[in-house]
Amino acid sequence: DAGVTQSPTHLIKTRGQQVTLRCSPKSGHDTVSWYQQALGQGPQFIFQYYEEEERQRGNFPDRFSGHQFPNYSSELNVNALLLGDSALYLCASSLWGIYEQYFGPGTRLTVT
Amino acid sequence: GQQVMQIPQYQHVQEGEDFTTYCNSSTTLSNIQWYKQRPGGHPVFLIQLVKSGEVKKQKRLTFQFGEAKKNSSLHITATQTTDVGTYFCAGRYSNTGKLIFGQGTTLQVKP
Repeated sequence: DAGVTQSPTHLIKTRGQQVTLRCSPKSGHDTVSWYQQALGQGPQFIFQYYEEEERQRGNFPDRFSGHQFPNYSSELNVNALLLGDSALYLCASSLWGIYEQYFGPGTRLTVT
Repeated sequence: GQQVMQIPQYQHVQEGEDFTTYCNSSTTLSNIQWYKQRPGGHPVFLIQLVKSGEVKKQKRLTFQFGEAKKNSSLHITATQTTDVGTYFCAGRYSNTGKLIFGQGTTLQVKP
């Protein structure tokens, strides 16, 4: 039973560029949440997807957008990258209405 | 706003000593979860507390949810080097609401 997978593992981008991060949920899960974790901080909620719709959103600008596909996998897109977007981006999957979340290994994004 | 405060930020203990981290919210939580993140790793779910005054135990770990559902604690008895990591609490303010993480408590255990 595969857990949550994320790709790529690491990414280096330049300011102003755009990036797409990918997540495959744990088998059987239908809900995907994305988090940004800066060094030494707790994960910050970006948004949550269920039934291919954004259900909840945290305090992140519109530069952060996402998508969920019919197979429940998800993408996180960030436009016009800023230096401050450098962080570990975590994807977590769960069953809708069930609170336990399983986190993936994360994508380490560095913006130079 | 919805914010979860966690203290202390760091804790260094001698192996065998006890450890406690505390989590507080200014408003009532629907439920609270605890996660452990090892250095270089990702958060791993430990437990969820839902009921007022709830206490749950996992071997040497004891989790409590306050009567007012505004605070929670994690207590580790007789720490071991395998307990090293950052412990996060994460609260929800409604049943399908977003999860708000505390800043975490990083535990170092000296052998």
